[in-house]
Amino acid sequence: GQNIDQPTEMTATEGAIVQINCTYQTSGFNGLFWYQQHAGEAPTFLSYNVLDGLEEKGRFSSFLSRSKGYSYLLLKELQMKDSASYLCAVRDGRDDKIIFGKGTRLHILP
Amino acid sequence: DTAVSQTPKYLVTQMGNDKSIKCEQNLGHDTMYWYKQDSKKFLKIMFSYNNKELIINETVPNRFSPKSPDKAHLNLHINSLELGDSAVYFCASSLSGGWQETQYFGPGTRLLVL
Repeated sequence: GQNIDQPTEMTATEGAIVQINCTYQTSGFNGLFWYQQHAGEAPTFLSYNVLDGLEEKGRFSSFLSRSKGYSYLLLKELQMKDSASYLCAVRDGRDDKIIFGKGTRLHILP
Repeated sequence: DTAVSQTPKYLVTQMGNDKSIKCEQNLGHDTMYWYKQDSKKFLKIMFSYNNKELIINETVPNRFSPKSPDKAHLNLHINSLELGDSAVYFCASSLSGGWQETQYFGPGTRLLVL
């Protein structure tokens, strides 16, 4: 079966660091995406991992371990505008579909 | 210079009606998608078209019929609307549907069935 798990909600403080975890079980694996979605808006692309390791892009970094079926999104120097839902999505290797997790709603406190 | 656009942005209609949502992308992409995001914010793929050909057709009711007149457009027609169809529908596109590609999303169409 296909399953993607992420925490439902997280809270962090402005200026701090937060790590959002994602575990997945899919028939195959052709890459993992992270998307940010502000309330009432469309998802926007943050990162893509297909090989193990850490990919850094400014304040955001994404890590992947294919053997563990695990990824995390790391957000540094948190800003109020980072309050949003963060969606983990996996491209299934069997049929190439992108399967989304239910998203993690991140609340940033001043 | 909008990349992926959808119309209408909001759609309120009665149960039993037939409605269409339109999507256009000016990115020159070959592949377009329709997603449904329910009230719990769960995003699920419905259809995927590559160069006007249907690639992915998830288990959605036959009342939903996508139409792609050309590779820049993917419209979604819904017959006999039901209360459970209320959701946000997102159109997206990617270059050629390949496994490494980013999908770019439209702004969404908020459908409310009364």
